[in-house]
Amino acid sequence: GAVVSQHPSRVICKSGTSVKIECRSLDFQATTMFWYRQFPKQSLMLMATSNEGSKATYEQGVEKDKFLINHASLTLSTLTVTSAHPEDSSFYICSARRGDGNTIYFGEGSWLTVV
Amino acid sequence: AQSVTQLGSHVSVSEGALVLLRCNYSSSVPPYLFWYVQYPNQGLQLLLKYTSAATLVKGINGFEAEFKKSETSFHLTKPSAHMSDAAEYFCAVSHTDKLIFGTGTRLQVFP
Repeated sequence: GAVVSQHPSRVICKSGTSVKIECRSLDFQATTMFWYRQFPKQSLMLMATSNEGSKATYEQGVEKDKFLINHASLTLSTLTVTSAHPEDSSFYICSARRGDGNTIYFGEGSWLTVV
Repeated sequence: AQSVTQLGSHVSVSEGALVLLRCNYSSSVPPYLFWYVQYPNQGLQLLLKYTSAATLVKGINGFEAEFKKSETSFHLTKPSAHMSDAAEYFCAVSHTDKLIFGTGTRLQVFP
């Protein structure tokens, strides 16, 4: 079946540094990918919608200069957290929509801890 | 605007008992509705989805949900709970590509 893979699954970085999280669709082309963040014991909040070859659309309140999203190919989207701070520590999950259907598949998520 | 409300942040049942997780939605257009399960420290797995076909939707692991337009509900049920069902369950609504999630319901199953 369709699989969406995220890497790394866990990352610890120092405050002030940047960290990149990758989201790959392994056996299908994803015209659209989505990035969510989830704080402990809370629901998922959509951060941005990423379309291949175009700029990402950010949700209200999400800093586009801090959370850089690049969707350079039909199988890869990246989220870069720039100048990370401890409050950015969260569980980041991506999802991908198949280009030929309505099904959305989720990645396994990435735990980011900023120390 | 679309939204979902999950009633009850925690639900506890005994093994073998009926599972009922509640979800009500708000949508100005016919919605697509989803139930996802999240096991600890993992991503989300789709349990089932409603896309305007049959109102009773059967999903994986013995779960099913019924779309009731008159009640704007999409409650998730399972006749007999297993210990392995303990997880966080999220209801979600979609109109275009975006998924709007509810706040989640943590299901605990006691032996």
